[in-house]
Amino acid sequence: QVQLVESGGGVVQPGRSLRLSCAASGFTFSSYAMHWVRQVPGKGLEWVALISYDGYDKSYTDSVKGRFTVSRDTSKKTVFLQMNSLRAEDTAVYYCVKEGRSLRRSGPFDYWGQGTLVTVSS
Amino acid sequence: EIVLTQSPGTLSLSTGERATLSCRASQTISNDYLAWYQQKPGQAPRLLIYGESSRATGVPDRFSGGGSGTDFTLTISRLEPEDFAVYYCQQFATSPRTFGQGTKVEIK
Repeated sequence: QVQLVESGGGVVQPGRSLRLSCAASGFTFSSYAMHWVRQVPGKGLEWVALISYDGYDKSYTDSVKGRFTVSRDTSKKTVFLQMNSLRAEDTAVYYCVKEGRSLRRSGPFDYWGQGTLVTVSS
Repeated sequence: EIVLTQSPGTLSLSTGERATLSCRASQTISNDYLAWYQQKPGQAPRLLIYGESSRATGVPDRFSGGGSGTDFTLTISRLEPEDFAVYYCQQFATSPRTFGQGTKVEIK
């Protein structure tokens, strides 16, 4: 069965960095794009970043461009989100999410991790 | 960016009643690229419906999706106790992959 397990969340001061990891299993990792979606506690869902199945294409929501970097390691079946220059407004639960269609096809988000909480506070 | 607006914000209904949730897009989307998710407290969202009313694995047939163009609906034919949750629509036609703000279905 598909599993996505995030790690790396925690409390960090404004301006500092944090790297999130997402270990994937149960599917052909190298065939699917992966996403990060965040949710401020008690609020709605916000798409953050996409990395294509082959790692060549990446895109970000405007508020994190230039600060966050998404990457993947196919040999380890892991996706990463490097978050730099963190701000209070980045405080949220971050979910690792699998694209529902393979290769370059756009699809719904069919599997979600349990999420990891990032708190940016002094 | 495609903006999705969900209504109502909260729907108060009883078990056994029919729920109709709305999602309006700021521009035309093919219904192939619209999805609905359910989220319960303390849990990650779960894919319910995508495309022209395809149900995700394990989703009961009381859930159905419809609509086209800019207006889409999620219908729960008869509410079960486990259906009280927050529901989000999402478009995956263009980047960024935007979500609606959510509709909470609560017990009346």
